[in-house]
Amino acid sequence: DIQMTQSPSSLSASVGDRVTITCQASQDITNHLNWYQQKPGKAPKLLIYDASNLETGVPSRFSGSGSATYFTFTISSLQPEDIATYYCQQNIGLPTFGQGTKVEVK
Amino acid sequence: EVQLLESGGDMVQPGGSLRLSCAASGFTFSTYAMSWVRQAPGKGLEWVSAVRDNGGGTWYVNSVKGRFIISRDNSKSTLYLQMNSLRVEDTALYYCARDRRFPDDVFDLWGQGTMVTVSS
Repeated sequence: DIQMTQSPSSLSASVGDRVTITCQASQDITNHLNWYQQKPGKAPKLLIYDASNLETGVPSRFSGSGSATYFTFTISSLQPEDIATYYCQQNIGLPTFGQGTKVEVK
Repeated sequence: EVQLLESGGDMVQPGGSLRLSCAASGFTFSTYAMSWVRQAPGKGLEWVSAVRDNGGGTWYVNSVKGRFIISRDNSKSTLYLQMNSLRVEDTALYYCARDRRFPDDVFDLWGQGTMVTVSS
């Protein structure tokens, strides 16, 4: 199985800050990497697919980059409504998720 | 409205069985692969099982192989998960998710989840 390791596991930032989350794969997954947002008590929501493609309707402050084994997810200007846990997911094999990064606003 | 609605979650004793359902509406169910993804209380997401659009192929995470069976009825736009020999560690919120680009799984639509509790 392909293991996905996210860091940090949690972070706290101020409104307007730039926030970056990393996701490392245990083997080369080219660009087969998606990012999801899960707000408290809600189902996950797809934000980014194929490492860097923004899902329709998702604000442009969200972005993704990377390839092979190292990927980053960025919120360019953190907003209060971005309080959530973010997960990466690889889809080159049977899908696996990272352990999640909980984002809080200071 | 495009949506997925899970049902069937309950509390069951270890070794018991349960059948989850996921009713789809607002899209052509028969053209999408579907998956079940679970989330233990306070934990992260874990993919559990997938089925092809025509039901002709199924896949499972190792921990449920031989115990869970995924199936679908395209005439009823419904996905199922038959869960047998349940263990305490199967306790979780179970989501069904639409896969818009199988086998490169991209889960673009999720239900609200149904809770399964395995406890004596």
